[in-house]
Formats: sequence, C-alpha cells, structure tokens
Amino acid sequence: ETGVTQTPRHLVMGMTNKKSLKCEQHLGHNAMYWYKQSAKKPLELMFVYNFKEQTENNSVPSRFSPECPNSSHLFLHLHTLQPEDSALYLCASSQGVNPGGRGSSYNSPLHFGNGTRLTVT
Amino acid sequence: AQSVAQPEDQVNVAEGNPLTVKCTYSVSGNPYLFWYVQYPNRGLQFLLKYITGDNLVKGSYGFEAEFNKSQTSFHLKKPSALVSDSALYFCAVRDGGGSYIPTFGRGTSLIVHP
Repeated sequence: ETGVTQTPRHLVMGMTNKKSLKCEQHLGHNAMYWYKQSAKKPLELMFVYNFKEQTENNSVPSRFSPECPNSSHLFLHLHTLQPEDSALYLCASSQGVNPGGRGSSYNSPLHFGNGTRLTVT
Repeated sequence: AQSVAQPEDQVNVAEGNPLTVKCTYSVSGNPYLFWYVQYPNRGLQFLLKYITGDNLVKGSYGFEAEFNKSQTSFHLKKPSALVSDSALYFCAVRDGGGSYIPTFGRGTSLIVHP
C-alpha cells in the first residue's frame, strides 16, 4: 500500500473514446503530480497542482485535461488520444508549498501510485 | 535551474558484491537529493534523501548514499547486492534556491546476477 491509489490499473481505449484516470491520496499532502512514463524514455512531468491550483503544465497536448477538485483527488481526462500516448501514467503527491512561502515542502519526497497502464488502439 | 544526471543506463553486478549507482546534480541553491526505486509494474518508491548534515545517509532495504558537495554527486550504494535489488533506480533533486518541483534523472536499470 503506497498511500496513493490510482484507478484503473489498466485501460485500453480507442482513439475516439473519452476516459478518465483517477488518483486519490490520504496522506495529507497538498501537491499532486501527473507523470507519463514511456518505454525507453525518462519520466515526463505533465501537470502539477499545489493547494488545488495548477502550477505546472509542461506543454502537454490539450487532449489531456487535468482536474483537481480538492487536495486529495486528481483526475486526468483523456479524449481523442493517439497511439503514441500509450504509456504508464503515474500520479504522485507530496507536501505542498504554502502560497507566499516555501516551508518544509522541499524535504518531502514524492509518494507515487502504482500507475495506470494505458493502451490506445 | 536544476538538473540531474545518471550517466549509466544499466549497471550489472553479481549477487553479494557491492553496488554503486551514480548520480550527479546541478543547482543554484542548496540541493535536496532523493533516490527512488521502481519495480516492474509499480510506481516509484522513496528510498532515502539528503537534506543537510551527515554526508552518508542510510535508507530502506540496506541502501545508503553519499553526498559529495565538491563533486556534486549523490551516488547510491549497497555493500552486498541481492537479486531482489534488480530494479530501476531514479535520482531526483530539488533546488533550495528554486522550484519545489523535483527534477528526475533518466533512471538506471540495476541487474543483479545470481
């Protein structure tokens, strides 16, 4: 049990489908992250939320749409994906940065879920 | 700006031998350094971190890492490797003078041979 739960674990979708990935943490963290991990490629940061505010969008195509309704939940909405979007999508959480300050969040390691293995056909 | 490099894509070691997985970093402020391990079909798991203090930090599963400020390195070590240590290892850095969002290395695949 990692403290961060991702559902579903596996997802197969066609290019015209719409689906959503869900991430949930009960660690009391205020920062949440989406990463993409493809074979033979490094981890790619996609989005970051800090205290429910999006602070990072790493030039991600608009066919990926994140949503963070509260500090415990993070979604990644998917539509009209391409086969090259097939990958392991990882969610992570950590202590956030209080607006206007840094606090001790720099000490806080990321806690990852076990990912959603996405296949786009 | 912060960056981290893992110069080896793969490290091979025999079971029972010591292992080292290399990591170097670049930051403008004080470095906050982390090691993670990833087993197949799993997310990354936190192993250990260096924030300040003793240059040798100990972590989970018998791993340790040595912080070397002059060489800007944070190599992961274990005195005696196990076959079950075979996994993907990631080094990460936060720049105390910059963003709280960590930068990860490309990962090093550790293979421990029986």
